[in-house]
Amino acid sequence: SQKIEQNSEALNIQEGKTATLTCNYTNYSPAYLQWYRQDPGRGPVFLLLIRENEKEKRKERLKVTFDTTLKQSLFHITASQPADSATYLCALGSTLTFGKGTMLLVSP
Amino acid sequence: DAMVIQNPRYQVTQFGKPVTLSCSQTLNHNVMYWYQQKSSQAPKLLFHYYDKDFNNEADTPDNFQSRRPNTSFCFLDIRSPGLGDAAMYLCATSRERAVLAKNIQYFGAGTRLSVL
Repeated sequence: SQKIEQNSEALNIQEGKTATLTCNYTNYSPAYLQWYRQDPGRGPVFLLLIRENEKEKRKERLKVTFDTTLKQSLFHITASQPADSATYLCALGSTLTFGKGTMLLVSP
Repeated sequence: DAMVIQNPRYQVTQFGKPVTLSCSQTLNHNVMYWYQQKSSQAPKLLFHYYDKDFNNEADTPDNFQSRRPNTSFCFLDIRSPGLGDAAMYLCATSRERAVLAKNIQYFGAGTRLSVL
C-alpha cells in the first residue's frame, strides 16, 4: 500500500533561516503532490501543487521540488518567520493520502 | 468569510449514542470529503461525494455513514460511537475529482468529537 513519510520530529529553526521539510513516498507514482499547512485545532490549508513533470514550483517565500526518481518532495520556506510555525502536510495526488506532517517551529 | 463551515466545533457524545456532524460550503464545489484525524496523525479519508455519487473508502467502518442532501450540505453520521472514534473530523471540498488534478481541497475548521 502507499506510504508517505514525513519527519515526525519537530524542526526548530531561527527566524530568517530557510526551513526544509521532506516528504518521501513508496509504492506509488503520483502524477502530482500537494502541500498543506495546518495550525493547531484547525483544518489544513492548501499551499502548493507540483506535477510530476515540474521539477520546482515557487510561491512567494515557498519552494517545492519533486523528484520522481527519489520519490521525494522537498518543501522550503525562505526567510522564515515565527508566523510560519505550523505543521506542514504533504499529500499524494489522486489518492488523497496525507502524511502525518512535520511541525515547524520558528523562534525569533 | 468562511467557505467551508463545520458545526459544531466541539461535540461531546456518549458511548453508543448516535451523533451527526454537519458541513456546509459556499464554494459550489462538486466534491465533498470527510476525514478523520487523530492527534499527531495524518488525516484519514473516510468517504467522499462527487455530486450525489457516494464513494466509500475500503477500510471505513460501517459505523460511519454520510448524507449529501444537496450541493451545499454534507453530514457525517456515527451510528454507535466508540471511544476509539474520538477525533477531529474534517470536512473538505474540491472543485473536481482527482483525475483532473483539480482536487485542491478547501477544509473546514473541523469538529472535535469527544466520546464519554
